[in-house]
Amino acid sequence: GNSVTQMEGPVTLSEEAFLTINCTYTATGYPSLFWYVQYPGEGLQLLLKATKADDKGSNKGFEATYRKETTSFHLEKGSVQVSDSAVYFCALSDRANYKLSFGAGTTVTVRA
Amino acid sequence: GAGVSQSPSNKVTEKGKDVELRCDPISGHTALYWYRQRLGQGLEFLIYFQGNSAPDKSGLPSDRFSAERTGESVSTLTIQRTQQEDSAVYLCASSLAGLSNTGELFFGEGSRLTVL
Repeated sequence: GNSVTQMEGPVTLSEEAFLTINCTYTATGYPSLFWYVQYPGEGLQLLLKATKADDKGSNKGFEATYRKETTSFHLEKGSVQVSDSAVYFCALSDRANYKLSFGAGTTVTVRA
Repeated sequence: GAGVSQSPSNKVTEKGKDVELRCDPISGHTALYWYRQRLGQGLEFLIYFQGNSAPDKSGLPSDRFSAERTGESVSTLTIQRTQQEDSAVYLCASSLAGLSNTGELFFGEGSRLTVL
């Protein structure tokens, strides 16, 4: 079945540091890949997505590239801000494209 | 409302009691999902509703769990004879026709259930 494994947290960084959160997946077929983010006191929201191999999703300075050869979708940001403190979830869609499988989430705290 | 609304936000109950959790999806969203998140774990799919189609109940962990949805509006998740392992945050999400359109689910803030 489909599964997502992402880097365990928590991760604590200083402002302007480089952030990487690793995500690897197991899936049949060619899933779409997503990163969702949950800011404190808010619901999960879509951060970025990629629907086919070699696609790069980007939003708010974050990027992730769909790597079929390594079954990975690592999230990166070159210079984090305090406002990036949140829980980040990697996810993939199933073949019928209506259901998401999520990783366990990675808590990121950025200190000023 | 503007977003997905869930109630109650927090629920503490005694083992063996029944609980009902409510979800108001975004108006016009035909697809509705329930997920469960146990402490330190990923989101676990429970059930999916799409329009008038038969729901996908494949994620419901036992027959103590059930969910209903009235048309394309409110959904309720009912847990009967609650057990301590049911303690979790229950998340509701809605979208336009599953993931086919935008690939985006819109989540509520969740209902935190604690079973003593």
